[in-house]
Amino acid sequence: AQSVAQPEDQVNVAEGNPLTVKCTYSVSGNPYLFWYVQYPNRGLQFLLKYITGDNLVKGSYGFEAEFNKSQTSFHLKKPSALVSDSALYFCAVRDTDSWGKLQFGAGTQVVVTP
Amino acid sequence: EPEVTQTPSHQVTQMGQEVILRCVPISNHLYFYWYRQILGQKVEFLVSFYNNEISEKSEIFDDQFSVERPDGSNFTLKIRSTKLEDSAMYFCASRSGAAGELFFGEGSRLTVL
Repeated sequence: AQSVAQPEDQVNVAEGNPLTVKCTYSVSGNPYLFWYVQYPNRGLQFLLKYITGDNLVKGSYGFEAEFNKSQTSFHLKKPSALVSDSALYFCAVRDTDSWGKLQFGAGTQVVVTP
Repeated sequence: EPEVTQTPSHQVTQMGQEVILRCVPISNHLYFYWYRQILGQKVEFLVSFYNNEISEKSEIFDDQFSVERPDGSNFTLKIRSTKLEDSAMYFCASRSGAAGELFFGEGSRLTVL
């Protein structure tokens, strides 16, 4: 069965500094990987995905993620964090054999301080 | 931009009562999902729905839960007899094609007293 792990419950970063949110995955086949963001009392917003192709994926709001097959990782990055990036971030994986069900990680709370 | 809409945004109910949560997926999407999230914690899969039938369900989705697509637009989640532990935020999602991402609604908060 597929799974994802987000090893950090919370990441603290100063505004303007680089932001990294870590994610590792485990799947039986080729992974489809996703990042979502959730602001307080809101739904999940799609940021980016890796299906195939370039290992560096660019997404919404200046975020990008790097797929690393050997390390089974898909870390989310942003070169310069904003206070408005403070939110809960979820990594998710989908097996290619499933009906599109996403398995979410536990989430990482990002706090960006001015 | 098309979006998934959910109603109600918040429902309070007594234990043992039936609850129906409603969703209108994005119009050209073919795959529909329900997830739940308890108090800002992990997002848990409940059920997926395709071609007017359940394609996959989790252990959480027991006999107390059912889903239906009564017409061409609405997608509903029914909980027959609510329990205290059903209190959560319920999210509906939909997607179009094979590799597509899921689009989520804003959620329906269910509080069972």
